[in-house]
Amino acid sequence: DVKVTQSSRYLVKRTGEKVFLECVQDMDHENMFWYRQDPGLGLRLIYFSYDVKMKEKGDIPEGYSVSREKKERFSLILESASTNQTSMYLCASSWGGDDEAFFGQGTRLTVV
Amino acid sequence: KNQVEQSPQSLIILEGKNCTLQCNYTVSPFSNLRWYKQDTGRGPVSLTIMTFSENTKSNGRYTATLDADTKQSSLHITASQLSDSASYICVVSAKSSASKIIFGSGTRLSIRP
Repeated sequence: DVKVTQSSRYLVKRTGEKVFLECVQDMDHENMFWYRQDPGLGLRLIYFSYDVKMKEKGDIPEGYSVSREKKERFSLILESASTNQTSMYLCASSWGGDDEAFFGQGTRLTVV
Repeated sequence: KNQVEQSPQSLIILEGKNCTLQCNYTVSPFSNLRWYKQDTGRGPVSLTIMTFSENTKSNGRYTATLDADTKQSSLHITASQLSDSASYICVVSAKSSASKIIFGSGTRLSIRP
């Protein structure tokens, strides 16, 4: 079975802190994604990566950056956390562009 | 603009009843459409995938339909169970683009005993 693991289920951070969300997949997938999910808005793509050290902006990249130094690991970085970044963050991976995406369990981040 | 719209936003039904969730999309060029189930506090899990040439596909008590002409899909749940309580998300992929995966905002389904 494909496994996508996110490092934390719940996080509480203070405004202005630098926050790292980690994601690891064990299926050698090329593509990895970071989404945020808010009530009534569905999943919105923040960044995705189609190869090591490659990244593309999604729909809402402002205030975020990413890092993919190894194929299995994709990190989301909040440079200076703000309260409007309180959300559920979901990591996903897939073989190709229109293949099934496998999701991690999500990280619920609260910025106070 | 690529969009996926789902209805209703939320739905409550009694255990054992059937229900149908709707998805309309404007994604182009169309590659496939998936329905995902997301339990509370978990990541979404794929239920079905529909390609352009498929009209109906079943997965146990879940049956998905696709009308590529009208760009509509439905997910029918038969003989609902308490474990069906979840959000159901319609996801449409465009051809050959990892970034062109458009998510609907989901239907929140609650099954009452």
